[in-house]
Amino acid sequence: NAGVTQTPKFQVLKTGQSMTLQCAQDMNHEYMSWYRQDPGMGLRLIHYSVGAGITDQGEVPNGYNVSRSTTEDFPLRLLSAAPSQTSVYFCASSYWGGQGAETQYFGPGTRLLVL
Amino acid sequence: AQSVTQLDSQVPVFEEAPVELRCNYSSSVSVYLFWYVQYPNQGLQLLLKYLSGSTLVKGINGFEAEFNKSQTSFHLRKPSVHISDTAEYFCAVSLTGGGNKLTFGTGTQLKVEL
Repeated sequence: NAGVTQTPKFQVLKTGQSMTLQCAQDMNHEYMSWYRQDPGMGLRLIHYSVGAGITDQGEVPNGYNVSRSTTEDFPLRLLSAAPSQTSVYFCASSYWGGQGAETQYFGPGTRLLVL
Repeated sequence: AQSVTQLDSQVPVFEEAPVELRCNYSSSVSVYLFWYVQYPNQGLQLLLKYLSGSTLVKGINGFEAEFNKSQTSFHLRKPSVHISDTAEYFCAVSLTGGGNKLTFGTGTQLKVEL
């Protein structure tokens, strides 16, 4: 199992550009989520999904869109990048419901710089 | 809503010394509690978790944590640290039976020195 994979590892954008951060998992997890990590603020939840076709907002959703067309993939879209979105982005996945559902597995992260 | 406080942003310690990283949480309902570790330029790895039962939880790499409901704390301890324990440590909570959303603390940077 590759676990949770994220691409790209690094990205530099100019203000106003758009991009998609990719996240994939091969553990057949129903639950997937995106967090951003900023210095001194820990990780904050952006969006999450409990299954294909079902998504919802987290704590800091503004400026980000998500969709979930398959169980494996959960891309995060920045439609018009802003310097405030400079951060490290982590994708995570877990089972949904039942024993073991509470444990989330994190990807290696995508480091994004918006100029 | 729940919240997590990690009062110590940095903890320096000498190798082979004991260490305690503090975590306090606030929630009006029952929570699960977690400690994650992040090595430089890597993702988060689960160290240990408290779901229910025994309040002393043992995790990987010799770490353990104790859940104290009356003090709403979940402090992380290791009796003897190694250079390789240098990393950032995050305490997190999620609601029991309320979904998988994690609320993280701001993190504690553990720096182990020779």
